[in-house]
Formats: sequence, C-alpha cells, structure tokens
Amino acid sequence: DQQVKQNSPSLSVQEGRISILNCDYTNSMFDYFLWYKKYPAEGPTFLISISSIKDKNEDGRFTVFLNKSAKHLSLHIVPSQPGDSAVYFCAASKSGGYQKVTFGTGTKLQVIP
Amino acid sequence: KAGVTQTPRYLIKTRGQQVTLSCSPISGHRSVSWYQQTPGQGLQFLFEYFSETQRNKGNFPGRFSGRQFSNSRSEMNVSTLELGDSALYLCASRPGQVMTDTQYFGPGTRLTVL
Repeated sequence: DQQVKQNSPSLSVQEGRISILNCDYTNSMFDYFLWYKKYPAEGPTFLISISSIKDKNEDGRFTVFLNKSAKHLSLHIVPSQPGDSAVYFCAASKSGGYQKVTFGTGTKLQVIP
Repeated sequence: KAGVTQTPRYLIKTRGQQVTLSCSPISGHRSVSWYQQTPGQGLQFLFEYFSETQRNKGNFPGRFSGRQFSNSRSEMNVSTLELGDSALYLCASRPGQVMTDTQYFGPGTRLTVL
C-alpha cells in the first residue's frame, strides 16, 4: 500500500526554467511533509518541509505547495540549475513522537544545460 | 561535526547467509532509523530506535532485526538472505524523536545477494 505516490519517475527541464515535482498521498492523518534530494552514491539530504497548517513554504529557489483537500503537494524549483539534477523524494508523516516517515518512490530530475 | 557513517559500503552475500550492517549517527543524535531502497519502491521504512528501544517498525518480515547501543550506534541484521533483499540500506539519525527534527542520512550500504 503506497501511501505516498510520485507518479512521474523522471522529469527533464531546461536550465533556467521551472521544475515542478508532484506528490500525492492517501493517508489523511499525515500532517507533516518533506522533500529530500538524493545524488548517486550519497544518502538523501533534507530540502524543505511544510506543516499542514500552511499551504506554502519557500526556501530560496525551492517552494513547496500543499493542497490538503486534494492530498497533493508539489515542489517548485525556480530557476532550475544543472546541479539540481538528482532524485527527489517526497515524504510524509504524522506529527508527534515516534512517527515513522513514509517516502514516495522518487522522481529523477534532469536539468539540461 | 562528522556525518552519519555506515559500514560496510558494499557487501556481497549469497542466499541463506546472514548479514549485519552498522550505522554511527551524528554525535549527540539519539534517534536512528533504517530504510531499504530498491528501484521502483522508494525508501521503505524498516525501524527506528531511540535510547536503545525500538520505537517504530515497518512492514518487514522478522528476518530483519536491529538494535541500538548505549552510544546510539545501531546495527541491523538480516538473516536467511533472499535475492529480493538486494538493496541499498540507508541509516538516518536525528537529535530526538520529534517529527520536525531533520533526519540526516548516511551514504548507505549496497547489499547484493547472489
């Protein structure tokens, strides 16, 4: 039962354009969402998070949007840079102690120079 | 501060064997989680330890087990290896068990079962 879904396994974007990565979840109890970035031969690194009390969170070139009614979140990268080429994982959890983090299957982003 | 370290980085085993993977968290971090990453499945949660106690467990068979030591270092063990256990095993640490604490991942151990 995949509770966090990233339906696009890959995405190609031109350098300087916007990258939009999408994520859907099924568990309505999730109230904390995260994005991680993973380069080959490295572990995932935290990128940005959002709590369900917000619908948008920005950090530099990265913005995460949350649509609770649609159980959908997206990560926008503007402008995209070649160094952004990586696999992006969406993750979700319930807040509070001892809650496990459920990850999506990942989207491989390629930014073409 | 040193990051999360995992040993070994690569491992080749045959079916039926057992394997032990090790994870050293960032100094001061007391929570350690383990994940299995396979193509098409993303990161699957295995278990989380905090203060030497397993706090959460994913949907994996009993062949997968773990433990945490008093210095927060953690090991996971897989017994009676199957071909499907071939994966990247990732360890992550965070300061406490608060959900909003950022998890820091190690580089992983690549396990190949022949």
